[in-house]
Amino acid sequence: EVQLVESGGGLVQPGGSLRLSCAASGFTFSSYWMSWVRQAPGKGLEWVANIKQDGSEKYYVDSVKGRFTISRDNAKNSLYLQMNSLRAEDTAVYYCARDWSRRVDSRYFDLWGRGTLVTVSS
Amino acid sequence: SYVLTQPPSVSVAPGQTARITCGGNNIGSKSVHWNQQKPGQAPVLVVYDDSDRPSGIPERFSGSNSGNTATLTISRVEAGDEADYYCQVWDSSSDHPYVFGTGTKVTVL
Repeated sequence: EVQLVESGGGLVQPGGSLRLSCAASGFTFSSYWMSWVRQAPGKGLEWVANIKQDGSEKYYVDSVKGRFTISRDNAKNSLYLQMNSLRAEDTAVYYCARDWSRRVDSRYFDLWGRGTLVTVSS
Repeated sequence: SYVLTQPPSVSVAPGQTARITCGGNNIGSKSVHWNQQKPGQAPVLVVYDDSDRPSGIPERFSGSNSGNTATLTISRVEAGDEADYYCQVWDSSSDHPYVFGTGTKVTVL
């Protein structure tokens, strides 16, 4: 079955760290860009970061630059998000998403995981 | 950065047609994608590149895009279509390239 399964969420104090994982199965993980997308409670979707197939390119939304690091291990079919210096505004469900494009001027998410909740609170 | 605006809510009776708009400056020049999110569930792609459907998505879901407005149309609405719907574009010229709309809650009466 083609799927993405996130893990690693939980409650963390402001300033703390957390590492999220995403296990991919049912498709050739190493052939795809991958992204993290988050959703704060009762809010909309926000793209956080993405990474190229071989890990050579990584991009981040401004609000997490310098604090979050995206990485992948193609041998383990896994995507990661290391989150440091966490803030209350980072509280959200974090989704792992397969990042796809059929055209040079278009990218979208064609497969999503169920998400993992990160709560930053004292 | 690029902004996408959706109506907060749309209500529709079963069997009728729901139309969800996504407004953006010259959005017709971009490819628009639509995601459905049911309560407590992960989003699901229902339309990509303006009007194409992934495999497994019913033909009742269709999309169009022109000028400053893209539209997701759900024909013969069913109770199971009740969900939040988000449009999304990719703005390659921006530092924040993946842009989501504000989301529309579709309620089936």
